[in-house]
Amino acid sequence: QSVLTQPPSVSGAPGQRVTISCTGSSSNIGAGYDVHWYQQLPGTAPKLLIYGNSNRPSGVPDRFSGSKSGTSASLAITGLQAEDEADYYCQSYDSSLSGLAVFGGGTQLTVL
Amino acid sequence: QVQLVESGGGLVKPGGSLRLSCAASGFTFSDYYMSWIRQAPGKGLEWVSYISSSGSTIYYADSVKGRFTISRDNAKNSLYLQMNSLRAEDTAVYYCARHSKYGSGSYYFDYWGQGTLVTVSS
Repeated sequence: QSVLTQPPSVSGAPGQRVTISCTGSSSNIGAGYDVHWYQQLPGTAPKLLIYGNSNRPSGVPDRFSGSKSGTSASLAITGLQAEDEADYYCQSYDSSLSGLAVFGGGTQLTVL
Repeated sequence: QVQLVESGGGLVKPGGSLRLSCAASGFTFSDYYMSWIRQAPGKGLEWVSYISSSGSTIYYADSVKGRFTISRDNAKNSLYLQMNSLRAEDTAVYYCARHSKYGSGSYYFDYWGQGTLVTVSS
């Protein structure tokens, strides 16, 4: 059971907007720790998508955006494209655990 | 360009040992913290272990503490994970990943290797 909760799956048609939530608690996101997002295309390694809640690394299209509020964070994808079909993971830090990083369980995005 | 290339995975019996390596290039390896992260088949990501740039600070996930040992050789631009007393639940793809820091202390993983598969089975 992940300490960061993501919906197992979301879907959308090409061109639509989808959001993926990442819900935490007062010991992680709610405590002010930053949230980062990764995209994992089928059969490949994860790739950094958003860092520091809302920052895009060079090369990531501006169709991807992140936000954080309270104990939750969200990843939004606008103008959905077939190539966006992938698994998405949020990551943060939890002060109640001994580990350095915690991940959400992942969300599989299907482009209809 | 930044490259991380893992090696050393394979099939091992329960109770056995394996040593993973990660060869880094394209950046000053000795300047960066590094981690190992694993992904069981069909499952999500699990952070396994962290090592500071000098190797002086090390952390482990509770699930591997006492069985796995992380190390690095900055002269060889290499990261290692010695895995002992392996269990079936350690079966996963193991990724090495580079840390970057955001703000006052938030770490994220900005580059990942392609991963190496470890299968623990009799």
